[in-house]
Amino acid sequence: QQQVKQSPQSLIVQKGGISIINCAYENTAFDYFPWYQQFPGKGPALLIAIRPDVSEKKEGRFTISFNKSAKQFSLHIMDSQPGDSATYFCAASGLTGGGNKLTFGTGTQLKVEL
Amino acid sequence: NAGVMQNPRHLVRRRGQEARLRCSPMKGHSHVYWYRQLPEEGLKFMVYLQKENIIDESGMPKERFSAEFPKEGPSILRIQQVVRGDSAAYFCASSLIGGRNNEQFFGPGTRLTVL
Repeated sequence: QQQVKQSPQSLIVQKGGISIINCAYENTAFDYFPWYQQFPGKGPALLIAIRPDVSEKKEGRFTISFNKSAKQFSLHIMDSQPGDSATYFCAASGLTGGGNKLTFGTGTQLKVEL
Repeated sequence: NAGVMQNPRHLVRRRGQEARLRCSPMKGHSHVYWYRQLPEEGLKFMVYLQKENIIDESGMPKERFSAEFPKEGPSILRIQQVVRGDSAAYFCASSLIGGRNNEQFFGPGTRLTVL
């Protein structure tokens, strides 16, 4: 079963706080894990991505933590800002079916309050 | 450097009509993916195409839906005899090369409403 489970469904964080979104997967063939950010009425935009050969990747205020044995990965947004308010999707892909079709989580609506 | 372009951005159809959604990939990209997003849900893979070839259509409904990516021109997602359940946002993504782990760039989507 190629599923990616994402939580929480929604999240409210105060400005300057840390936003944490979690995802879990089942298919051990997955080997690429991107996070996408989507604003209302827009298409998803790649935020940061990780491969399972590393346990953490940081780009600016965004960090992915990856736990291969637990088949879990998470997005941390440090110093969260109102402009970060958006829907965040985790995704995964692997060699199944050719190409790199993405299997998405159900999304987390993040709201950063002043 | 234009990104992925989709048109129309909004499309309204009555039940039984046909819907044609167009996607122009980023310049130099020859791999196109179509995804569907239902309200309050994540994106679901539909089909992966290269120029003139369908590589993976495992996410496409068996009936009424078809996709193409001709040698010249945009990729087309065609939905025949639309039903209300087809109402969704349809996103196209493109990548420079195929294969694993290659970044996909998404277009702004086409929001289809079936009356």
